[in-house]
Amino acid sequence: DTAVSQTPKYLVTQMGNDKSIKCEQNLGHDTMYWYKQDSKKFLKIMFSYNNKELIINETVPNRFSPKSPDKAHLNLHINSLELGDSAVYFCASSLKRVSNTGELFFGEGSRLTVL
Amino acid sequence: AQKITQTQPGMFVQEKEAVTLDCTYDTSDPSYGLFWYKQPSSGEMIFLIYQGSYDQQNATEGRYSLNFQKARKSANLVISASQLGDSAMYFCAMREGWKTSYDKVIFGPGTSLSVIP
Repeated sequence: DTAVSQTPKYLVTQMGNDKSIKCEQNLGHDTMYWYKQDSKKFLKIMFSYNNKELIINETVPNRFSPKSPDKAHLNLHINSLELGDSAVYFCASSLKRVSNTGELFFGEGSRLTVL
Repeated sequence: AQKITQTQPGMFVQEKEAVTLDCTYDTSDPSYGLFWYKQPSSGEMIFLIYQGSYDQQNATEGRYSLNFQKARKSANLVISASQLGDSAMYFCAMREGWKTSYDKVIFGPGTSLSVIP
């Protein structure tokens, strides 16, 4: 079973379109994240959710709207896509407990190409 | 300001040799965690090793060890006996605000390691 799964793995779309990426984790983690990896491989945190509550929004444009229906799912909807949105989007999860390291478990990434 | 610095954009190492990948960080939090992740050309992110800010001993996981120098704010990754499969991007990362509501993991720019046969 895949621990953190994202769909779709690839999206190719035109500028101005709207698209969504879905993420699910079956690890029982309480915190989920979206990261963006640009063409230079730089990984930047976008959002984090803890138990369905938005915790971090790293000055991401309003066109990006995350949604967490429950603590196992975190979706990302992007409106009015721009060329600069082309990137690999990673979903990740972790567990906040005193005794664990809290490392991130990543999904396989969703490669978005905006034409 | 860059909180995680990896000064080596690219590195080469001979197979079976050891290699050190540098990482320095900046934080004012007394409690933080440091991670290394590997990203092969296939794209997945693989967790390698963790060091807590209060850990007395340097972390080790198989061929990976973390050279943690707290006063210098450095957390270098040492890979012993390099293998061809070690060729990948390596990211140093730091968790700040651990156990608070604002905790997050931020990543350095990465080092591309190539292992030469």
